[in-house]
Amino acid sequence: QKEVEQDPGPLSVPEGAIVSLNCTYSNSAFQYFMWYRQYSRKGPELLMYTYSSGNKEDGRFTAQVDKSSKYISLFIRDSQPSDSATYLCAMSVQAGTALIFGKGTTLSVSS
Amino acid sequence: GAVVSQHPSWVICKSGTSVKIECRSLDFQATTMFWYRQFPKQSLMLMATSNEGSKATYEQGVEKDKFLINHASLTLSTLTVTSAHPEDSSFYICSARTSQETQYFGPGTRLLVL
Repeated sequence: QKEVEQDPGPLSVPEGAIVSLNCTYSNSAFQYFMWYRQYSRKGPELLMYTYSSGNKEDGRFTAQVDKSSKYISLFIRDSQPSDSATYLCAMSVQAGTALIFGKGTTLSVSS
Repeated sequence: GAVVSQHPSWVICKSGTSVKIECRSLDFQATTMFWYRQFPKQSLMLMATSNEGSKATYEQGVEKDKFLINHASLTLSTLTVTSAHPEDSSFYICSARTSQETQYFGPGTRLLVL
């Protein structure tokens, strides 16, 4: 079993839809959880950074962490064509240490 | 803020040659930088952790004599792929850690070894 599991998709939605992206993990020691967006042939861009369980909202993005289930989610409201990218979850045991990434989910938002 | 650059953005080289990739934190100092490699449709895999002024820490299975890392200043880390072979062709991405412990990634360097 890999440390971090993420459905690679692809996920296709119409513009305006609510998108739900998820990752599961096996290491209960993970405490720091991140979501990155990566456009084709570009480096990952940090979207959300959360510590331990709970919710965090930033504009159209909401990140949820459920440590009891070892499950994290990213919700995108009112999705836009510009949101079309690959979304990577990442996590670490300690702040600032090397990240363990999921495989990434490819999202396509059609206008 | 928190901008990380990489140079070059892409490089093509012949088998057996060496290639140097630079990673710079432009508006902050980074005592720690990380080097990742990403194959097509795969996730980022950590290669090594680079600490300013000390030897890099390599992940299991990564040859330290093949992938030379130097972190000579608080804003610059370099990765040199020595005696490159076609199987080294990949997308190499660095990240730099800020004082707030978050990591920001560079735009990546695409290496093609012929």
